[in-house]
Amino acid sequence: DSGVTQTPKHLITATGQRVTLRCSPRSGDLSVYWYQQSLDQGLQFLIQYYNGEERAKGNILERFSAQQFPDLHSELNLSSLELGDSALYFCASSAGGGDTQYFGPGTRLTVL
Amino acid sequence: AQTVTQSQPEMSVQEAETVTLSCTYDTSESDYYLFWYKQPPSRQMILVIRQEAYKQQNATENRFSVNFQKAAKSFSLKISDSQLGDAAMYFCAAGGGAQKLVFGQGTRLTINP
Repeated sequence: DSGVTQTPKHLITATGQRVTLRCSPRSGDLSVYWYQQSLDQGLQFLIQYYNGEERAKGNILERFSAQQFPDLHSELNLSSLELGDSALYFCASSAGGGDTQYFGPGTRLTVL
Repeated sequence: AQTVTQSQPEMSVQEAETVTLSCTYDTSESDYYLFWYKQPPSRQMILVIRQEAYKQQNATENRFSVNFQKAAKSFSLKISDSQLGDAAMYFCAAGGGAQKLVFGQGTRLTINP
């Protein structure tokens, strides 16, 4: 158990819908990262937050957004969902720059 | 920008034998970190080992060790005394100052009993 929790574990929804994925980092970790793992793109970095502020952005679509709350949990919002958004979404946390990232169990999103 | 390449999509090894997984990377960062993560069928990403680029000594964690060749930008993982529980996808990853990780495409490791 990495100490990072993600909910829900599985999510099945339809095209055009909006979903929210939730992540709670390890106790004491200030940084949260979101990654997408799909069959064709592999593991891709989406976005990073540090203590409530956006720190880095990767290949995140405009339809996707995220935030980190004062209690340090983070949410990833995916809207206008398309079939290609079906993937495993991971959240990871670390104490800060240079520290190891520990991954949550992931949320498997299926868009039908 | 960083890139990570794993040239072996699949590897197999006999139980109790030793296997080496290859990884090469490219980075413009002067301060960076390298990792191997394991992803078993449960899909959980599990840290196997970490190497700081400024350290010359190769990292070791029990049966897992790395061969870090900084000039060649090579970072291979050696698994000794392979066990059935080692069967998984193994991902090499690089992280720089911004700390986001760039992953390779993965190597699927099969352990033959």
